[in-house]
Amino acid sequence: GDSVTQMEGPVTLSEEAFLTINCTYTATGYPSLFWYVQYPGEGLQLLLKATKADDKGSNKGFEATYRKETTSFHLEKGSVQVSDSAVYFCALRGVLTGGGNKLTFGTGTQLKVEL
Amino acid sequence: NAGVTQTPKFRILKIGQSMTLQCAQDMNHNYMYWYRQDPGMGLKLIYYSVGAGITDKGEVPNGYNVSRSTTEDFPLRLELAAPSQTSVYFCASSYRLADTQYFGPGTRLTVL
Repeated sequence: GDSVTQMEGPVTLSEEAFLTINCTYTATGYPSLFWYVQYPGEGLQLLLKATKADDKGSNKGFEATYRKETTSFHLEKGSVQVSDSAVYFCALRGVLTGGGNKLTFGTGTQLKVEL
Repeated sequence: NAGVTQTPKFRILKIGQSMTLQCAQDMNHNYMYWYRQDPGMGLKLIYYSVGAGITDKGEVPNGYNVSRSTTEDFPLRLELAAPSQTSVYFCASSYRLADTQYFGPGTRLTVL
């Protein structure tokens, strides 16, 4: 079945550092890929998405490129801020989705940004 | 426009007790979902609904029940709570099948 693997955290960075959170997936065909962010005490929010190979999703300075050849969707940001501290989830929606609009999530990566 | 709301925010149950987690959305979304998030794990789908009166099981439905009598509400019922149901529960909704899902703030449940 579908699966998502993302790097374990926590990831601790200084403000203005470069961020990469790795995400790879296993799925049949061309799934849609997502990054969700969960700020402390809140629910998940969609950060960005890509629906086909070579698409780049971007939002709030974050970017991720759908790489079919490496089955990856790594999240990057050039200069992180303290306000980016959160848990980041990589997810996919498979082509042969049985359960409604089922999303398959990775385990989440906690990011801590310090001054 | 409140989006997706969930109550309560926190709850402690004793083994064998029952409770209902409430979820409501005011976006006129057809699809609604219940997920659980265990520590260090991704979210797992418990149940989902494609419209009023229609529900179906997700990956981990055992120990739970749902109903969808209106478009707005999608309560999750726990019968005979067990420690294995200690988790954070998220409700989500989307307008169409392939649309973005919007999540509520979650309910943190502890079963002792």
